[in-house]
Amino acid sequence: EVQLLESGGGLVQPGGSLRLSCAASGFTFSDYTMNWVRQAPGKGLEWVSQIRRRSGAIYYADSVKGRFTISRDYAKNSLSLQMNSLRDEDTAVYYCARDPENPYGMDVWGQGTTVTVSS
Amino acid sequence: QSVLTQPPSVSAAPGQKVTISCSGSSSNIGKNYVSWYQQFPGTAPKFLIYENNKRPSGIPDRFSGSKSGTSATLGITGLQTGDEADYYCAAWDNSLSAWVFGGGTRLTVL
Repeated sequence: EVQLLESGGGLVQPGGSLRLSCAASGFTFSDYTMNWVRQAPGKGLEWVSQIRRRSGAIYYADSVKGRFTISRDYAKNSLSLQMNSLRDEDTAVYYCARDPENPYGMDVWGQGTTVTVSS
Repeated sequence: QSVLTQPPSVSAAPGQKVTISCSGSSSNIGKNYVSWYQQFPGTAPKFLIYENNKRPSGIPDRFSGSKSGTSATLGITGLQTGDEADYYCAAWDNSLSAWVFGGGTRLTVL
């Protein structure tokens, strides 16, 4: 079964750091581009970051650029998101999502992990 | 403000048809494929439509998509109460080098 399982969420103070992980299983991880997408409470979906499958090219939303770092471990079939200098507005459910590129779209999503930034 | 524009809500009676619009620009919808996602409260989004009008395996043909210029439309026929959910459009934006989403549309089946 194709599955993505996020972990690492929790409560952190403003200015703090947190590292999210996404464990992939049931498919060839190296064949897919991967994304992080978040959803603040009561709000819509917001794309956060992408790491491409072949080139390893990395992209970030302007709202997180310079604070968040995406990475992937092919040996462990794992995607990570290092989040530094966290702000109140980073509070959200964070989803990892698989991106085949062809077809275009995010076809498999994890269940999400909740990040709460609050003092 | 979302880069892609969707109506906040739509509604229709069971058995009827509804359409949800998604408006973008030349840097996103105008040049790239549109995908659509369905999300029930408290759950992860589900892949609904890709490459403007294709349905992943398991998605009923009651769901359809189309694109014209810088706008896209999701259509749902034979509405069921189980279709009540939030629907999001998305496209890659070449200028931003980013996926952009619409703000989401809440579908109510009256």
